[in-house]
Parts: sequence; structure tokens; C-alpha cells
Amino acid sequence: DAGVTQSPTHLIKTRGQHVTLRCSPISGHKSVSWYQQVLGQGPQFIFQYYEKEERGRGNFPDRFSARQFPNYSSELNVNALLLGDSALYLCASSQGPGQTFYGYTFGSGTRLTVV
Amino acid sequence: AQRVTQPEKLLSVFKGAPVELKCNYSYSGSPELFWYVQYSRQRLQLLLRHISRESIKGFTADLNKGETSFHLKKPFAQEEDSAMYYCALGTYKYIFGTGTRLKVLA
Repeated sequence: DAGVTQSPTHLIKTRGQHVTLRCSPISGHKSVSWYQQVLGQGPQFIFQYYEKEERGRGNFPDRFSARQFPNYSSELNVNALLLGDSALYLCASSQGPGQTFYGYTFGSGTRLTVV
Repeated sequence: AQRVTQPEKLLSVFKGAPVELKCNYSYSGSPELFWYVQYSRQRLQLLLRHISRESIKGFTADLNKGETSFHLKKPFAQEEDSAMYYCALGTYKYIFGTGTRLKVLA
């Protein structure tokens, strides 16, 4: 089992551009969550998807969007990038929403730098 | 408002000394609390969950609803315990604290 895989690992974008980050959950996991981790802070919740439907959204602007595909992989899209979007973006997978007993399995993240 | 507070950014202890990483939370319902750990160059991974009352790598954490705390403890620190530790509150989503970096000195 490859675990949660994220791509790309690193990315440099210019202000105003658009970016797409990708995540493949652990086989058998149907829920994917996205977190943003700014340097020196804990991860902040952005989205959760389960069975291709949005189940939760954090306090992020509409420039952030996501979707989940039939194979349960997911994309996070960020439009009109700002310098403040520079962060490590983490994907976490679980068998279903609210799988608090087993916790979530995190990927290694995508490091986004906006210049 | 739901919140997790980890008051220490850095905690340095000597090998063999006891360790306590503090976590306080704010939540109106019955909390579900976790400790996650991130070793150098590794991904964030689950260490403990309060619901299972387990001991992992010698670490334990007790939920104290009266003090709204979920402190992480280990009686004898090891050098390999050096890592970033995050306390998290949550159900379908996590609210993470800002983390505490634990350095265990030889």
C-alpha cells in the first residue's frame, strides 16, 4: 500500500496564477480532507470530501475549491494566488467521514511557494 | 469557539527526564482529542487518541474535562522522541494546535 500520495511535492507559482494539487487516498478510503499548514502554525482545515460530495469547508475564500473523483482521488484548486497562499498543503484520507477512532492518514504534502 | 492551545513552542529535556507536552482545548460538547507527531522529514502521523486510552511509544495522555486539558506525558524521554507534536480536536475535521517542538538532549 503506497499510503496517501500527493503531487507535486514542490511547486512555485506567480501571484495571480492558478494551481491544482492532487491527492490519492489509501486504497479503500473514501474520504479525503485538505489542510493548509503555514510555517510555524498547525494545519488548518480547508475541505472534506466523502463519496464525491463536499462534507465540510473551512474558513477559506472562494478562490479555494476542490473535487473528488469516482476513484476517490481529489484535486485542490486555488485561483488568483496570493503570497499568503504559500504553505504546505496536506491531504488526509480515511475510510469515511468522522473516522475519529482510527484517525486520519496524512500525505507528505505539497509545498507551494507563491512569488 | 473551538480552539486548541499548545502554550510551548519548544520544550527541551534531557534524555531520561520526564516529558509533559501541554494541550488545552475549548469545546462545548464531548471532545475527541488526538496527538499527532511529525518526525524530521516524515509525514504527520497519529500518535494517540483519547478514546482508546492507549500507550504508544511510552506516551500517554489523559483527558481532563474539568481542566479542559489533554496533556501528553512520558516518564523517561528518549532521543528518538525529538519531533514536532500537535494536539488536535475534532470529528470530521481537526482543529490543530500550533505544535510543540520537543528536543531531547543527550
